[in-house]
Amino acid sequence: QSALTQPASVSGSPGQSITISCSGSTSDVGGYNLVSWYQQHPGKAPKLMIYDVTNRPSGVSNRFSGSKSGNTASLTISDLQGEDEADYYCSSFISTSLYIFGTGTKVTVL
Amino acid sequence: DVNLVESGGGLAQPGGSLRLSCVASGFTFSSYGMAWVRQAPGKGLEWAAAIGGSGHSKYYADSVKGRFIISRDNSKNRLFLQLNSLRADDTAVYYCVKEGHYYHMDAWGKGITVTV
Repeated sequence: QSALTQPASVSGSPGQSITISCSGSTSDVGGYNLVSWYQQHPGKAPKLMIYDVTNRPSGVSNRFSGSKSGNTASLTISDLQGEDEADYYCSSFISTSLYIFGTGTKVTVL
Repeated sequence: DVNLVESGGGLAQPGGSLRLSCVASGFTFSSYGMAWVRQAPGKGLEWAAAIGGSGHSKYYADSVKGRFIISRDNSKNRLFLQLNSLRADDTAVYYCVKEGHYYHMDAWGKGITVTV
């Protein structure tokens, strides 16, 4: 498996909630509670938003939340705001190498 | 604050070599694993290599195994990535990354461009 599967794009209006999925297998997402999410604005370095499936680093808005069911992890952004427009990547520990990233999702705020 | 600054990128010929360096500050460098993540133009993130805090444990993605070498100098708070046998598909921005406890990346450098 070369990458976890994410939708190419998700959009929502300001104030709405959106959810980004991240599908893997029992060798990665489903086998460990070691899923993280990263936000990347154009031309910038990624930023950690969620780790260990549900944990938020200090300084990250509580509008961002993570969850997991089986082999699929999800990132939910509540009360969508203009500054949330960015690319989002999931990542998981994978037993065969160490890390695997998702294909990436472009979030558009309408 | 954690600060990671990469250097050493640039233009290389196919089959050539480059050495990337990353100087770290703002945390106890030897206590954390470090990694390199790359991003080809217009593409997604790809983990390339990781190294444990002591430098003894090293891990590589299949795409770079046997060509890239990760290392660190804890006395100088520096992380390195030796890129050998470079190919056109190694063209990317390379990010120096600090690992959190465990298996996530909690700080990123601004990135350095490698063009082959």
